[in-house]
Amino acid sequence: NAGVTQTPKFRILKIGQSMTLQCTQDMNHNYMYWYRQDPGMGLKLIYYSVGAGITDKGEVPNGYNVSRSTTEDFPLRLELAAPSQTSVYFCASSYNRDSGYTFGSGTRLTVV
Amino acid sequence: DAKTTQPNSMESNEEEPVHLPCNHSTISGTDYIHWYRQLPSQGPEYVIHGLTSNVNNRMASLAIAEDRKSSTLILHRATLRDAAVYYCILRDLSNGANSKLTFGKGITLSVRP
Repeated sequence: NAGVTQTPKFRILKIGQSMTLQCTQDMNHNYMYWYRQDPGMGLKLIYYSVGAGITDKGEVPNGYNVSRSTTEDFPLRLELAAPSQTSVYFCASSYNRDSGYTFGSGTRLTVV
Repeated sequence: DAKTTQPNSMESNEEEPVHLPCNHSTISGTDYIHWYRQLPSQGPEYVIHGLTSNVNNRMASLAIAEDRKSSTLILHRATLRDAAVYYCILRDLSNGANSKLTFGKGITLSVRP
């Protein structure tokens, strides 16, 4: 059972470039989340989804977009990368709103 | 969401019990108390959660004050692998789909050999 899988693990982007961070889970979880963590700080919620076809903004959504076409996948899109988006990005999932979260191992993104 | 207050850091000795405190004086009746931990260079990991009664699982115990304004995560025998940042989080499940986890800075636990 793989849990939550994130790819890539590391990426360096130039300012203005675009990329998609991939997240997939094999636990049939309905809820999925994207967080970012800046150095020495706690995690901040970017976007979340309560099921396929449903997404909503979190605390820091600006500069990002998401989609949820299947239960398994929840990709995060950066359209015009900026240095302020340098961070570690974590994807998580939960079975329902009462359940604990399972996190992926993260994607470390640097924008130069 | 109601806020939690944790010390910045704590040290413990290996194989001794560790008590990690958390204050949440503005907790509401529908707030669950969740604990997660984050090992270095890893994503957070669920530890335990509870509402009113004390809870035990294979990882830890959660002791909740009678007035629910504070709680303590108890690691019964600390190991070097328990060195991590521990987050105490309140989660209001009455918010339905909006009941998301909001992470603070947490408490950094160091374990001495």
